[in-house]
Amino acid sequence: GESVGLHLPTLSVQEGDNSIINCAYSNSASDYFIWYKQESGKGPQFIIDIRSNMDKRQGQRVTVLLNKTVKHLSLQIAATQPGDSAVYFCAEKDSNYQLIWGAGTKLIIKP
Amino acid sequence: KAGVTQTPRYLIKTRGQQVTLSCSPISGHRSVSWYQQTPGQGLQFLFEYFSETQRNKGNFPGRFSGRQFSNSRSEMNVSTLELGDSALYLCASSLAGQVQNEQYFGPGTRLTVT
Repeated sequence: GESVGLHLPTLSVQEGDNSIINCAYSNSASDYFIWYKQESGKGPQFIIDIRSNMDKRQGQRVTVLLNKTVKHLSLQIAATQPGDSAVYFCAEKDSNYQLIWGAGTKLIIKP
Repeated sequence: KAGVTQTPRYLIKTRGQQVTLSCSPISGHRSVSWYQQTPGQGLQFLFEYFSETQRNKGNFPGRFSGRQFSNSRSEMNVSTLELGDSALYLCASSLAGQVQNEQYFGPGTRLTVT
């Protein structure tokens, strides 16, 4: 079946360095992907999205890369700050027009 | 503009009981989606309501149900609670749908079943 997963459950990054969070998806027909950030005690918050007709999309300090050949999605966070500490989820729009969520990656910022 | 609100924030129930959770979307948003979040499972989609109609449904048993009112407020109900229903239940609202527009999440209701 369709599934979205993450390569690493926990990622530790030095403050100021760049972070890269990866996500694999299995449905080659998926055409829309979203990254969400969830801080402790809060609901997920939209970060950035990308459609399958794009390979790259940039936001403020964040970049999402889509590699359809290997069905891989990544979120890059530039100059990681303490406020970036959170769990990051990728989500994929499936054929039933629902969002299928990955299990999440916890990003830890080291001072 | 007020964000998505969910009540109650915390709830403790015993097995076999039923529970009703409430969600008030952002003003003007007509779509409300519900998710169950458990450690290790991520977010599992329950259902989506738009203009008082269930538009989409995830793979949950019939014990999980929901509804939406004319003011777009939504409730979800879980009957005959099981221990495995312990989770954070999140509600998200959007203008027209979970994939058409950006979703805004509430803080969730933490349900503990004992």
